[in-house]
Amino acid sequence: DQQVKQNSPSLSVQEGRISILNCDYTNSMFDYFLWYKKYPAEGPTFLISISSIKDKNEDGRFTVFLNKSAKHLSLHIVPSQPGDSAVYFCAASANDYKLSFGAGTTVTVRA
Amino acid sequence: SAVISQKPSRDICQRGTSLTIQCQVDSQVTMMFWYRQQPGQSLTLIATANQGSEATYESGFVIDKFPISRPNLTFSTLTVSNMSPEDSSIYLCSVAQGARTEAFFGQGTRLTVV
Repeated sequence: DQQVKQNSPSLSVQEGRISILNCDYTNSMFDYFLWYKKYPAEGPTFLISISSIKDKNEDGRFTVFLNKSAKHLSLHIVPSQPGDSAVYFCAASANDYKLSFGAGTTVTVRA
Repeated sequence: SAVISQKPSRDICQRGTSLTIQCQVDSQVTMMFWYRQQPGQSLTLIATANQGSEATYESGFVIDKFPISRPNLTFSTLTVSNMSPEDSSIYLCSVAQGARTEAFFGQGTRLTVV
């Protein structure tokens, strides 16, 4: 049972534009959300997180938005750069250390 | 953030054999985990490696198939036993200092069973 869903398997965006990645979850107990980036042959790298007590968290070019009523979060990358081309995973936890991951979205930034 | 080294980075193994994957962290960490990423799929938690005691396995994973050791706060091993082609996956070691903190990952071990 997939509790975290990333319904877009891929996203193509032009360099300099905004990338918007979406993630939906079904478990109302999730209270901490994270985004990871993964290059081929490497492990996932932590990008940004958000607690359920917030609706927005920003770190440089990366902003995560959380809509608890819709059980939806999104990651905005502005401006997109060629080095952002990677697979992005959404993850969530419910008051513990276990992470449930989405299937990932492959982002391609075009020059 | 912790630096995590996993060995081997990849291997091709015969069915019926076993492979032990090592995970070494450059600092003491509270929690260590093992994940699996099957081809085209998401990361799935196999188990939490507990220091000095038996690992805590998630539903669908058992100790006989995936024995785990954690002798201290910086090292853990995962063994994939009696392998079949269905075990072909990327296996990832992960560490965290507690709940609601980011987890860090090793580079993964790409296992192919033939």
